[in-house]
Amino acid sequence: QKEVEQNSGPLSVPEGAIASLNCTYSDRGSQSFFWYRQYSGKSPELIMSIYSNGDKEDGRFTAQLNKASQYVSLLIRDSQPSDSATYLCAVNGDNTDKLIFGTGTRLQVFP
Amino acid sequence: GAGVSQSPRYKVAKRGQDVALRCDPISGHVSLFWYQQALGQGPEFLTYFQNEAQLDKSGLPSDRFFAERPEGSVSTLKIQRTQQEDSAVYLCASSLPATATGDETQYFGPGTRLLVL
Repeated sequence: QKEVEQNSGPLSVPEGAIASLNCTYSDRGSQSFFWYRQYSGKSPELIMSIYSNGDKEDGRFTAQLNKASQYVSLLIRDSQPSDSATYLCAVNGDNTDKLIFGTGTRLQVFP
Repeated sequence: GAGVSQSPRYKVAKRGQDVALRCDPISGHVSLFWYQQALGQGPEFLTYFQNEAQLDKSGLPSDRFFAERPEGSVSTLKIQRTQQEDSAVYLCASSLPATATGDETQYFGPGTRLLVL
């Protein structure tokens, strides 16, 4: 079992819809969780970080964390074609600074 | 301010050749990380420095891979006797320590795309 799991997609949503991206992780001691966006041929760019259970909102983005279920998600409201990219879930382990990444979910927003 | 920079952006090497990849972190960032990203995969951890100290090199795939950060700023990832399976994008990231700001975000450079023929 991979340490961080994501559905590879593609997830296709129409413009203006809500895109829901999900991630599960295996290390119960994980403390820090990140969503990065990666356009084709570019490097990962931070979208959201979340450290405690519950929701965290930033503009059109909401990250949700449930440590009991070892689950973290990213909601994108009012999806735009410019949101089309691969979304990487990353997790810090307990007492480690390195990031463990999932394989990423490819999101396609069509007009 | 300036972000993380990496050079070269692209490198083509013949199998067996040695290569050196450079990373300039964000000024003042104590922590520096190297990741390897194969096509269609997420980045995979290679090694981590805090200042000049290499605290974790558990992700280096073989003894052909070597990284250094002698003055606690610029870092070099060296791959000796390159093999075709080394072809990937090599990403460098830097961060402030969480104890300083509570923010553990790692900021990524543009990457070096290595192709071994």
